[in-house]
Amino acid sequence: DAGITQSPRHKVTETGTPVTLRCHQTENHRYMYWYRQDPGHGLRLIHYSYGVKDTDKGEVSDGYSVSRSKTEDFLLTLESATSSQTSVYFCATGAPGRDEQYFGPGTRLTVT
Amino acid sequence: AQTVTQSQPEMSVQEAETVTLSCTYDTSENNYYLFWYKQPPSRQMILVIRQEAYKQQNATENRFSVNFQKAAKSFSLKISDSQLGDTAMYFCAFMSPNTGNQFYFGTGTSLTVIP
Repeated sequence: DAGITQSPRHKVTETGTPVTLRCHQTENHRYMYWYRQDPGHGLRLIHYSYGVKDTDKGEVSDGYSVSRSKTEDFLLTLESATSSQTSVYFCATGAPGRDEQYFGPGTRLTVT
Repeated sequence: AQTVTQSQPEMSVQEAETVTLSCTYDTSENNYYLFWYKQPPSRQMILVIRQEAYKQQNATENRFSVNFQKAAKSFSLKISDSQLGDTAMYFCAFMSPNTGNQFYFGTGTSLTVIP
């Protein structure tokens, strides 16, 4: 357990509203990742970060932005939520020289 | 680009029996790692087993073992003496340090252990 928390754990929001999900880790891991999980697709990478203020796009980044101002926090923002962004969102961390990724508990987001 | 394929969306096994979950992958990398993650109904992602591509010996963790066929790009998971607690979604994943430690996941296999 890499001490990863996600907030909120559940959220229902309306189409067009902004949403920010937070990932917080206590292990000082350099790498952080945001995934979304959808039936039939497994986990797909949205954005990732290799350090403070060092972020890049993943496979499904359209409609999402991220920020990392501190090692321990990685924020995922949906600027204007759409129903297609209804999903379960996972944060994960990793470290150089360590091949495993450690996952948070997930956030279930519903956009109505 | 890396791809991971799990061709069995659902499987079931009798308690105490053995089951094998299949995974194939495609990559041009030589240095990489393969993983099996378990996701029970709690939704938490739990690492089951890992395999380093440069190691010929198949990884084993208690009741879990893999059959790693590098030339065939195949990485199957065998669960022996299946237990009710093994009921979960299982994801195969690929990672290469040469591609920024990014993980690529398969679509998952839902395993049900029947009492």
